[in-house]
Amino acid sequence: NAGVTQTPKFRILKIGQSMTLQCAQDMNHNYMYWYRQDPGMGLKLIYYSVGAGITDKGEVPNGYNVSRSTTEDFPLRLELAAPSQTSVYFCASSYLGQGDEKLFFGSGTQLSVL
Amino acid sequence: GENVEQHPSTLSVQEGDSAVIKCTYSDSASNYFPWYKQELGKRPQLIIDIRSNVGEKKDQRIAVTLNKTAKHFSLHITETQPEDSAVYFCAANTGGFKTIFGAGTRLFVKA
Repeated sequence: NAGVTQTPKFRILKIGQSMTLQCAQDMNHNYMYWYRQDPGMGLKLIYYSVGAGITDKGEVPNGYNVSRSTTEDFPLRLELAAPSQTSVYFCASSYLGQGDEKLFFGSGTQLSVL
Repeated sequence: GENVEQHPSTLSVQEGDSAVIKCTYSDSASNYFPWYKQELGKRPQLIIDIRSNVGEKKDQRIAVTLNKTAKHFSLHITETQPEDSAVYFCAANTGGFKTIFGAGTRLFVKA
């Protein structure tokens, strides 16, 4: 099992550009999440999904979009990138999504918007 | 909504000493409290967790305590080793999809 796989690992964007961060998991987890981690800060939930076709907003959803067409994939889309979106992005998954189980994280994507 | 505060932000200890990281939460409905360790440039990984019906849990050199009345929980690492150097995050969850994280504690263990 590869676990949770994220691509790319690093990316530099210009203001106003758009991109998609890819996330895939092979653990047959129902629940997937996108977090961002700013320097010296904890992880903030951007969006989450409870299954294919179902997504919902987290704490900081503005400027992002997600889709979940399959159980395995949960891409995060940035439209009109802004410097405030410079961060490290982590995708995560869990099996039950009841809140009391382990989150499995991907290796992260370091994004800079200049 | 839930808010989790974590202290200290940085902690430096001598190898072999103990380290304690403290967190407080605001939502009395929170019932699950995981701790994640993030080594430099790596992904966060769960190291220990505690549920609200338990006051203390141990796993070798690490332990977590929970005081529901005061709404705080702590991570204790004994006999610290250089490989314990990392950022540690506490978190709280009310049983839904939103795990709320503290800001993290950067632990340095000096050899």
